Amino acid sequence: QQQVKQSPQSLIVQKGGISIINCAYENTAFDYFPWYQQFPGKGPALLIAIRPDVSEKKEGRFTISFNKSAKQFSLHIMDSQPGDSATYFCAARNSGGSNYKLTFGKGTLLTVNP
Amino acid sequence: DTGVSQDPRHKITKRGQNVTFRCDPISEHNRLYWYRQTLGQGPEFLTYFQNEAQLEKSRLLSDRFSAERPKGSFSTLEIQRTEQGDSAMYLCASSSTGATNEKLFFGSGTQLSVL
Repeated sequence: QQQVKQSPQSLIVQKGGISIINCAYENTAFDYFPWYQQFPGKGPALLIAIRPDVSEKKEGRFTISFNKSAKQFSLHIMDSQPGDSATYFCAARNSGGSNYKLTFGKGTLLTVNP
Repeated sequence: DTGVSQDPRHKITKRGQNVTFRCDPISEHNRLYWYRQTLGQGPEFLTYFQNEAQLEKSRLLSDRFSAERPKGSFSTLEIQRTEQGDSAMYLCASSSTGATNEKLFFGSGTQLSVL
């Protein structure tokens, strides 16, 4: 049972364009939604995160949009750069649980062409 | 170095052999996690320690897998009688309680190949 569904599987964007990655979740107990960025040979690194009490969070060129009723959230990368080329994972967690474990989506491979 | 450190970075072994991986978390972090990541997938939770206590194990963690965190510092993950299906990246992550306890810091992982 996949609790966090991520799309698209891969995405190609031109430099300066907007990259959009979408995630949907099933477990209504989830209350923390981070996005991680992973480069080849490296572990995932936290990019930005949101809680469901806000509908949008922006940090620099990265924005999370959150739709609680639809149980969906998305990552928008503005002015995409070749250095943004990486795999992006959405994740979710039930902070009321005892271990703070994250459930990850399957990832989106982003390629930004120069 | 203030990051999560994992050793070795790569391990090639033959089916049936035992392997052990080490993780050194960020020094003040009391929570430590092991995840497994296969090609084209997101990381999957394996097990979690708070200090030296192992508080949860995923059903993914068969009885061939064992993890320890003596003295609440570094952790080891051992796989006995390895199988080809164990080939994956094994990631360690750590976090601390408090205002920033939500943020998991991942190491660069140990890539295991079972031949």
